[in-house]
Amino acid sequence: GAVVSQHPSRVICKSGTSVKIECRSLDFQATTMFWYRQFPKQSLMLMATSNEGSKATYEQGVEKDKFLINHASLTLSTLTVTSAHPEDSSFYICSARAGHPGSPEETQYFGPGTRLLVL
Amino acid sequence: GQQVMQIPQYQHVQEGEDFTTYCNSSTTLSNIQWYKQRPGGHPVFLIQLVKSGEVKKQKRLTFQFGEAKKNSSLHITATQTTDVGTYFCARRDGRNFGNEKLTFGTGTRLTIIP
Repeated sequence: GAVVSQHPSRVICKSGTSVKIECRSLDFQATTMFWYRQFPKQSLMLMATSNEGSKATYEQGVEKDKFLINHASLTLSTLTVTSAHPEDSSFYICSARAGHPGSPEETQYFGPGTRLLVL
Repeated sequence: GQQVMQIPQYQHVQEGEDFTTYCNSSTTLSNIQWYKQRPGGHPVFLIQLVKSGEVKKQKRLTFQFGEAKKNSSLHITATQTTDVGTYFCARRDGRNFGNEKLTFGTGTRLTIIP
């Protein structure tokens, strides 16, 4: 199956600093990537939809100025957590869509995730 | 959109026993997807169901989509320790380019007692 990578896999930072997380589709082009957040023992919650060459679409309650998303190419999307605080500590997972949109073959492939700990 | 509910939230079974998780929606679903997330890992796509009453099998896993397309189930026969993880259903919203997204269910965490 398709491969999606994320970097870094883990990051510990001080409160107030910014952290950038990269999501790459390694063997396919992804016009759309998605960013999720998962708190311990909870489900994945979609944060935003990232479309190549256009602004990201954020879900209700997600601050776009705090979680900056850049989808500069068909294989790379980045999520920057600005001025991170301890409550931002979570597991951030990206996914990239493969297959024709709306088709039965459409599938999302998930990256391995990034564990963020803000002290 | 509304979150999709799953039951049970947790399930502990003896190795070799069967396991079933149910996914329920108050609205009609155009499709349902199932994912498995191992402890510490990321979700891995298992299958997508689209048709009313559809049943698909993958070895010991049987997936079913309800006739009314409001519920789905995943059944594992004779569980093994490798089945440990959290199973999520997810519905895909939108059929137009650029606005599709997955809404994940609440998940069922399966633990196996050897």
